[in-house]
Amino acid sequence: EPEVTQTPSHQVTQMGQEVILRCVPISNHLYFYWYRQILGQKVEFLVSFYNNEISEKSEIFDDQFSVERPDGSNFTLKIRSTKLEDSAMYFCASSVDSNEKLFFGSGTQLSVL
Amino acid sequence: ILNVEQSPQSLHVQEGDSTNFTCSFPSSNFYALHWYRWETAKSPEALFVMTLNGDEKKKGRISATLNTKEGYSYLYIKGSQPEDSATYLCASLRGYNKLIFGAGTRLAVHP
Repeated sequence: EPEVTQTPSHQVTQMGQEVILRCVPISNHLYFYWYRQILGQKVEFLVSFYNNEISEKSEIFDDQFSVERPDGSNFTLKIRSTKLEDSAMYFCASSVDSNEKLFFGSGTQLSVL
Repeated sequence: ILNVEQSPQSLHVQEGDSTNFTCSFPSSNFYALHWYRWETAKSPEALFVMTLNGDEKKKGRISATLNTKEGYSYLYIKGSQPEDSATYLCASLRGYNKLIFGAGTRLAVHP
């Protein structure tokens, strides 16, 4: 069965460093998302992406965050200058349509020291 | 209700018991309600996407109902098995394609 893949599974970085989290969505899906879960908190929406542009973003998704689909298969989340509070599990997801179920990747655990 | 709320937070049942949990969501500007099952060390997996008031969906021993007018959905598991142990998340679709998740109900089924 097709699946969403995410790399790396774990990322440790120093505060202030840039990180790029990578995702390969399911190939025939058109909508792509990033969510995150800070330990002990709810899963939070960050951003959705369709037709090569951001369709919605949350208040969390400030200028430090950006997303890109560089080559038609990868979907990346960049955090320019990481903060301690960015430590979380980051999930990529994709869906066929905006009102269809999401398929989640297995997540990248980001630790900012 | 502005947030998506789930209850109970956690539940321990014996194998064979039937159980249910609740998801409350904003009833205004409703688009869809999603249920996901999240096993430890795996990624959330979709169970149901429900859009119509009165909708009932079933997948094996798991079923769900939806009341969009009052803003709640119930998830039922009939004859719980140890492999049903997981966190069950509901999420309300807000805006174009933004899911707002509840905190989940953590279910533990004991043999």
